[in-house]
Amino acid sequence: DAMVIQNPRYQVTQFGKPVTLSCSQTLNHNVMYWYQQKSSQAPKLLFHYYDKDFNNEADTPDNFQSRRPNTSFCFLDIRSPGLGDAAMYLCATSGWGVTDTQYFGPGTRLTVL
Amino acid sequence: AQKVTQAQTEISVVEKEDVTLDCVYETRDTTYYLFWYKQPPSGELVFLIRRNSFDEQNEISGRYSWNFQKSTSSFNFTITASQVVDSAVYFCALSAPAIKAAGNKLTFGGGTRVLVKP
Repeated sequence: DAMVIQNPRYQVTQFGKPVTLSCSQTLNHNVMYWYQQKSSQAPKLLFHYYDKDFNNEADTPDNFQSRRPNTSFCFLDIRSPGLGDAAMYLCATSGWGVTDTQYFGPGTRLTVL
Repeated sequence: AQKVTQAQTEISVVEKEDVTLDCVYETRDTTYYLFWYKQPPSGELVFLIRRNSFDEQNEISGRYSWNFQKSTSSFNFTITASQVVDSAVYFCALSAPAIKAAGNKLTFGGGTRVLVKP
């Protein structure tokens, strides 16, 4: 049973063309996270939501935005993708406690042409 | 500042060999959590284990075992009798409370790629 679902699994976009990645969860977790992972690197946190409270990492470019319309869904919007934004984008969820484990989705691999 | 170091970037073994992945961490927090995740070629990060800083008991789960030593700030992971399906990138991570709001922030090591050959 899928718990954290990401759509699409593969996304191809053109340089500068806005793209939206989707994440949904069946765990009813309060916290949702978006990570960027480039080839042969560790995941890098972009931002996270506690319920609807948005928390941006200091070094996340303004080009990246997020929306969380409800508990189950969270979106990552890349307003003007550049070649450097090609990466795997991972969504994760956790409970609200600082001890809670993060559970990851399968990721969306973004290609920018 | 928190830091996780996985000194081995890649390990190649033959099936049925044991393989140990090293993880060394740095933190000033007295309470913290350590994790191991597996990332197979499909890309999903699969949770393997969580250990809190007050529990230094070693743990075994099937062919997997973990050795937590606070004195050396290490949390090593051993796969016994490796199988081809164990081929993946393994990440060690350290959790710190979020500065604001709830949830936690993971500091990842650079990952160790394990290749198990038949």
